[in-house]
Amino acid sequence: QQQVKQSPQSLIVQKGGISIINCAYENTAFDYFPWYQQFPGKGPALLIAIRPDVSEKKEGRFTISFNKSAKQFSLHIMDSQPGDSATYFCAAQDSGTYKYIFGTGTRLKVLA
Amino acid sequence: GAGVSQSPSNKVTEKGKDVELRCDPISGHTALYWYRQSLGQGLEFLIYFQGNSAPDKSGLPSDRFSAERTGGSVSTLTIQRTQQEDSAVYLCASSLASGGANEQFFGPGTRLTVL
Repeated sequence: QQQVKQSPQSLIVQKGGISIINCAYENTAFDYFPWYQQFPGKGPALLIAIRPDVSEKKEGRFTISFNKSAKQFSLHIMDSQPGDSATYFCAAQDSGTYKYIFGTGTRLKVLA
Repeated sequence: GAGVSQSPSNKVTEKGKDVELRCDPISGHTALYWYRQSLGQGLEFLIYFQGNSAPDKSGLPSDRFSAERTGGSVSTLTIQRTQQEDSAVYLCASSLASGGANEQFFGPGTRLTVL
């Protein structure tokens, strides 16, 4: 119940295309859902985050879609660029314990 | 201002030795998290501190792992009698507080290799 399931494991997209990464959870105590971007040799960095009281949040080319009833959320990267090539992690924070549970990551490669 | 720093950046040790990993959080951040990231894997929660207290130690893999935080600032993660399966990148993150959707800021990590 504490898991966050992330897919796909890897993704190859052409420059200018849309990258979509999906996550699913079961624990209804999760109340904060961030996405992180990680480049090789670096720590993860927050990309965008959402609370369950909204269904969508957009920041520039990055959009989170959130479906509370289905317990699913996804990251959309519009107009994907080679510089977006990185590993992306979804996460969920438990409102009671404040623990973060991370997905297993998606390695994105954007072809020039 | 300075971000989260971790030291050492790399540590190679022999099986059975003890190691200490250090995390310096962003000044003023009361919450501090430790994670473990194995090669090609996601982040595994180990422990978090709110101030100097660790409300949740459930993620520590075994009793060989311990952590402390002093003065509400620096934290040390200690692994005793290291095993080869302890090899991973250990990441530290800090945030203004532990709840309320406060952004976590990650350090660059310590890469631990146990021979």
